[in-house]
Amino acid sequence: EPEVTQTPSHQVTQMGQEVILRCVPISNHLYFYWYRQILGQKVEFLVSFYNNEISEKSEIFDDQFSVERPDGSNFTLKIRSTKLEDSAMYFCASRGDWETQYFGPGTRLLVL
Amino acid sequence: SQQGEEDPQALSIQEGENATMNCSYKTSINNLQWYRQNSGRGLVHLILIRSNEREKHSGRLRVTLDTSKKSSSLLITASRAADTASYFCATMRGRGGSEKLVFGKGMKLTVNP
Repeated sequence: EPEVTQTPSHQVTQMGQEVILRCVPISNHLYFYWYRQILGQKVEFLVSFYNNEISEKSEIFDDQFSVERPDGSNFTLKIRSTKLEDSAMYFCASRGDWETQYFGPGTRLLVL
Repeated sequence: SQQGEEDPQALSIQEGENATMNCSYKTSINNLQWYRQNSGRGLVHLILIRSNEREKHSGRLRVTLDTSKKSSSLLITASRAADTASYFCATMRGRGGSEKLVFGKGMKLTVNP
């Protein structure tokens, strides 16, 4: 069964460093999303992406964040200058024509 | 209560018993979805119920939706130890690529063998 994959599974970085989180959505899906979950808290929406542009973003998704679909398969989330409070599990999701969003296993980001 | 808040926050039952989780929300929705998360892992989609549906079944899962009360419940029948996980309800808002899922805090279910 097709699934969303994410790399790396874990990333440790120093505050102020740039990180790129990678996702490979399900191949025929056209809608892509990033969510994050700070330890012990709710899963929060960050951004949705369709037709090569951002369609919706949350307050969390400030100028430090960017998303890109550099080729036909990858979908990336970049954090330009990480802060301690960016430490969280980041989930990529994708969907096809139906409403169900399929989530990847997540990347656990730790900012020191 | 907050958007998509589950009740109770934690539930511990014996294998074979049924588990019921409730979720409340505040705004109008397109649909409501339930997800499961095993400890530290990804979110697995369980079931989706649309705003014009009242009840839906999938295997041992039964979901109800009451839009007048802005609430939903997830029933897991004949629970198994493998059902131990956190369960989240999520409401979908927006349309056409601009939609987003708004998640509740989650409910931790422990099924004891």
